[in-house]
Amino acid sequence: QVQLQESGPGLVKPSETLSLTCTVSGGSISSYYWSWIRQPPGKGLEWIGYIYYSGSTNYNPSLKSRVTISVDTSKNQFSLKLSSVTAADTAVYYCARFDCGGDCRNSEPNYFDYWGQGTLVTVSS
Amino acid sequence: DIQMTQSPSSLSASVGDRVTITCQASQDISNYLNWYQQKPGKAPKLLIYDASNLETGVPSRFSGSGSGTDFTFTISSLQPEDIATYYCQQYDNLPPTFGQGTKLEIK
Repeated sequence: QVQLQESGPGLVKPSETLSLTCTVSGGSISSYYWSWIRQPPGKGLEWIGYIYYSGSTNYNPSLKSRVTISVDTSKNQFSLKLSSVTAADTAVYYCARFDCGGDCRNSEPNYFDYWGQGTLVTVSS
Repeated sequence: DIQMTQSPSSLSASVGDRVTITCQASQDISNYLNWYQQKPGKAPKLLIYDASNLETGVPSRFSGSGSGTDFTFTISSLQPEDIATYYCQQYDNLPPTFGQGTKLEIK
């Protein structure tokens, strides 16, 4: 059973960079897409971006100028960096597998089938 | 971005009731639509993919239908453990976008 676990600081100061890591266990990070999704308290879900195990990325245009997602296949981890944060970036951040429903070498990702438990990141001085 | 609009935003029903939630896309998305269940304090859980396919292990009282711009999610007989917020999500175009959610409560 694939499991994902987010880790990183729960408190970040305004204008600084939010950094989170997602560790994948119970399966290989290879051959799949991996995403970050966030949810402000009491609100809905916002996709941040994805990374393919090979390193190719795609980001939400609304966050693209501030987001970097990277992967370390040797550690079975992928990471999120969000720069110049403000209070509006306060949210529960989830990592998730963005599966293709088939061979991801030939298909685009479709659905988020495995999720981490989420980690609350608060932006405050 | 493709906008996803769910209705209703909240819903109160009794155990055993048939419950229906709708999701409308701002443009044709074929059947590129998924449904998730989120219980308080938990991560979302995939229930339905490709508009009508039940994810492995999900009870058969959950179902989905629709194509194009209009989609329906149904619980045939509401159980107490179904209390949650439900989200639709499209993947026709990047970025993938979610509906605003439907909060389901027991009457």
